[in-house]
Amino acid sequence: LAKTTQPISMDSYEGQEVNITCSHNNIATNDYITWYQQFPSQGPRFIIQGYKTKVTNEVASLFIPADRKSSTLSLPRVSLSDTAVYYCLVDYGGATNKLIFGTGTLLAVQP
Amino acid sequence: EPEVTQTPSHQVTQMGQEVILRCVPISNHLYFYWYRQILGQKVEFLVSFYNNEISEKSEIFDDQFSVERPDGSNFTLKIRSTKLEDSAMYFCASSEDEQGNTGELFFGEGSRLTVL
Repeated sequence: LAKTTQPISMDSYEGQEVNITCSHNNIATNDYITWYQQFPSQGPRFIIQGYKTKVTNEVASLFIPADRKSSTLSLPRVSLSDTAVYYCLVDYGGATNKLIFGTGTLLAVQP
Repeated sequence: EPEVTQTPSHQVTQMGQEVILRCVPISNHLYFYWYRQILGQKVEFLVSFYNNEISEKSEIFDDQFSVERPDGSNFTLKIRSTKLEDSAMYFCASSEDEQGNTGELFFGEGSRLTVL
């Protein structure tokens, strides 16, 4: 079972910053937090991964508080092409090599 | 940029027939995966494969499923006797390291299986 909780959907407008928060209360010490993006009829695509504090790449930022029980994906200045499902995943157990996807958050960006 | 490629992109088959879905993972990757996504539902883990053997499998991956790495480049998923409920998009993925240990999964574009 997925051990993360995210909003089912979010709406935004072009040019806005979007923050999607994920809860993972039972995260283990050696687990990483990873976010994927999926467009319709395509495979999920890695966005960003982090362990603690803040990670930033050319696409997004990931904020992780000290207790690591939640994380927030931040997408700066979204465009219509950012409309997709965003998945927050946590690798429970560390030694496993599988991803368990939850239902994700459908982000709809409007003009 | 290296990518995971899958064939066929779409396959239509009759119930009870055998289907083989093919994947070419990224060449230096060591871990291989199959996931599926039924239309409108979430992505579901099927199986992971490392060092020529199954590492983990889900309850979905029953005896009708099998995976193989027949040569140094291909990774296949075989469904022995397809059922209507096997209709889904099947995604292959590969990673350099174990996911979760700073390893990123690279997914292919998927193979859509339609069972009639």
